[in-house]
Amino acid sequence: DAKTTQPPSMDCAEGRAANLPCNHSTISGNEYVYWYRQIHSQGPQYIIHGLKNNETNEMASLIITEDRKSSTLILPHATLRDTAVYYCIVRANTNAGKSTFGDGTTLTVKP
Amino acid sequence: SQTIHQWPATLVQPVGSPLSLECTVEGTSNPNLYWYRQAAGRGLQLLFYSVGIGQISSEVPQNLSASRPQDRQFILSSKKLLLSDSGFYLCAWSGGLTDTQYFGPGTRLTVL
Repeated sequence: DAKTTQPPSMDCAEGRAANLPCNHSTISGNEYVYWYRQIHSQGPQYIIHGLKNNETNEMASLIITEDRKSSTLILPHATLRDTAVYYCIVRANTNAGKSTFGDGTTLTVKP
Repeated sequence: SQTIHQWPATLVQPVGSPLSLECTVEGTSNPNLYWYRQAAGRGLQLLFYSVGIGQISSEVPQNLSASRPQDRQFILSSKKLLLSDSGFYLCAWSGGLTDTQYFGPGTRLTVL
């Protein structure tokens, strides 16, 4: 699985959009970009994933660059409950596709 | 809908004692199952994964073992715990067209 690079921490004002970047310059053609978040002492929560098109769901939007070497997770209106560690992962959708989790980005939403 | 359970939620064990952590999945069949460990403030380290009953793959050499006695049951074990086995243990399942992984609530193990 390709490795990813994320900033260790970010702050965001409550109600504003949070834009979390991720670099994955060695991503392969069959690898998807996944985002998870982990609130302290809980299991990671799946947020969204995509291959090459931008994706949106009820939680967030995922913007993937045309060359697929980087992506951005957007939380459109951050709330205090969005404070968490956010992980960007790339993995293939093969059977038992294993995920490599780095240290992620700690997002702190401030009032 | 699918749900994943882990127990116990927390566990304090002395060095040298045995360990058994259990994970079960409901609402799906033939899932891929995973055990991860997370050290404080760090990312997740994949320990084991399984694509079927009795099929276990180990990712890192260690003091732990895993078993899958039933389709939706995954067990993490140790015969003798070490201090370095302390951590947050997470079970996950995946399946379906996207093979997205979904995580359980975790077990926090402290070895004293």
